[in-house]
Amino acid sequence: AQSVTQPDIHITVSEGASLELRCNYSYGATPYLFWYVQSPGQGLQLLLKYFSGDTLVQGIKGFEAEFKRSQSSFNLRKPSVHWSDAAEYFCAVGARNTDKLIFGTGTRLQVFP
Amino acid sequence: DTAVSQTPKYLVTQMGNDKSIKCEQNLGHDTMYWYKQDSKKFLKIMFSYNNKELIINETVPNRFSPKSPDKAHLNLHINSLELGDSAVYFCASSQYQQETQYFGPGTRLLVL
Repeated sequence: AQSVTQPDIHITVSEGASLELRCNYSYGATPYLFWYVQSPGQGLQLLLKYFSGDTLVQGIKGFEAEFKRSQSSFNLRKPSVHWSDAAEYFCAVGARNTDKLIFGTGTRLQVFP
Repeated sequence: DTAVSQTPKYLVTQMGNDKSIKCEQNLGHDTMYWYKQDSKKFLKIMFSYNNKELIINETVPNRFSPKSPDKAHLNLHINSLELGDSAVYFCASSQYQQETQYFGPGTRLLVL
């Protein structure tokens, strides 16, 4: 069965610092992988996605993520965090034979000035 | 223009009542979904429809009944509301199955 693990429930960084949010998945084949961001009281916005090809994908707002098959990981990174990045971040995996998205439990990012 | 819209944004109601949440997408997508986000922010799919046909029903109680009058709309009707139904309900849509899903702003349901 598919599953997604986001080991960090809550991360706090200073503005301008680099960021890495971890995501590990369990799936028997190459999955579709997504990162979504949810600002307080808002819906989910897609940051980036991996379907195939280049394992380093660029997204919106300066985010990138790298698919590492050997580690079953799809970590999200940003070189310099802005205060407006404070939000909840969700990693999700989709199976290639269904249209279900399985979400991780989310990582709450707090940014200090 | 809002791509995926939901109404109402907030819904406060008593136990035992029946309520509906509406969802509309103007993206021309074939597939629409309902997700439930609980108090711990955990998101789980409830239903998906492709061209008005039910594709996924994730062991959701029968009190929840989705209805898709056309492929741009997917409404969620909930009978006999229970305290445990309190959550945020998100509608989403995608062009094809397995493609990127675009989410609505959510409906915050509180059952008293």
